[in-house]
Amino acid sequence: DAKTTQPTSMDCAEGRAANLPCNHSTISGNEYVYWYRQIHSQGPQYIIHGLKNNETNEMASLIITEDRKSSTLILPHATLRDTAVYYCIAPSGNTGKLIFGQGTTLQVKP
Amino acid sequence: NAGVTQTPKFRILKIGQSMTLQCTQDMNHNYMYWYRQDPGMGLKLIYYSVGAGITDKGEVPNGYNVSRSTTEDFPLRLELAAPSQTSVYFCASSYEAGGYEQYFGPGTRLTVT
Repeated sequence: DAKTTQPTSMDCAEGRAANLPCNHSTISGNEYVYWYRQIHSQGPQYIIHGLKNNETNEMASLIITEDRKSSTLILPHATLRDTAVYYCIAPSGNTGKLIFGQGTTLQVKP
Repeated sequence: NAGVTQTPKFRILKIGQSMTLQCTQDMNHNYMYWYRQDPGMGLKLIYYSVGAGITDKGEVPNGYNVSRSTTEDFPLRLELAAPSQTSVYFCASSYEAGGYEQYFGPGTRLTVT
C-alpha cells in the first residue's frame, strides 16, 4: 500500500470550492487512489476513485497529476453537510485493504 | 438492497466476556472487511476475507477471530474482552479489490468495562 500524506485540517466557506490535496509519491502503477469521508461517527462513505485520468461524479472531482504522485479532491460547492474527515487512500490492488491515516478534517463555515 | 448491516448497534461487555459482532451484506460481494476505530483515530483493519472460506489477518488481529462460511455473512468474534477493545467496529464489503469501492455498515459501538 502506498503511503499518503494529507494536511491535518482545512477550512472552506460555504458555497465555495473545497480543494483537498493528497501526496502519494510511492504509489505503484496499478494502485488506485480512493477518497472516503466520515461524517461524525458514521461509517466511512465512498466519494470517488481514479487510476490515471481525472474523474468526476455527482459528489466530487478527482484531479491526479500526470506522474501520479499527488491528487486533489474537489468539492465544487461545499455545504455545511460536507464538514467531515476526508481520507485519501491507495490500497493494495490484490486485497483492497484500506489503510486509514489521520485524514483531513474539513470545516465548512457559513 | 439493505447494503451492509451490523448488529448490535451498541453493547457493553464486562472484562473476560465474549461476544460476536454480526455483519451481513446483500450485494453478493466477494470481499469483506472488519475495521475498528478508536476515539480520534483513523480506522484500523482487523481481518478481511476475499471469499467464502478464506480469511486473513489485518493490522490488529489479536483478540479477535472471524469466519466466512457464506458470501453474505462475516461475523467477528471477541474472546475474553479487554478494555483495550473498547472501540467502534465497522464492517465493509466490496465486489472485488482493485477499482471497486467499499461499502461500510453503520458500526457497532462496544464498551468493555
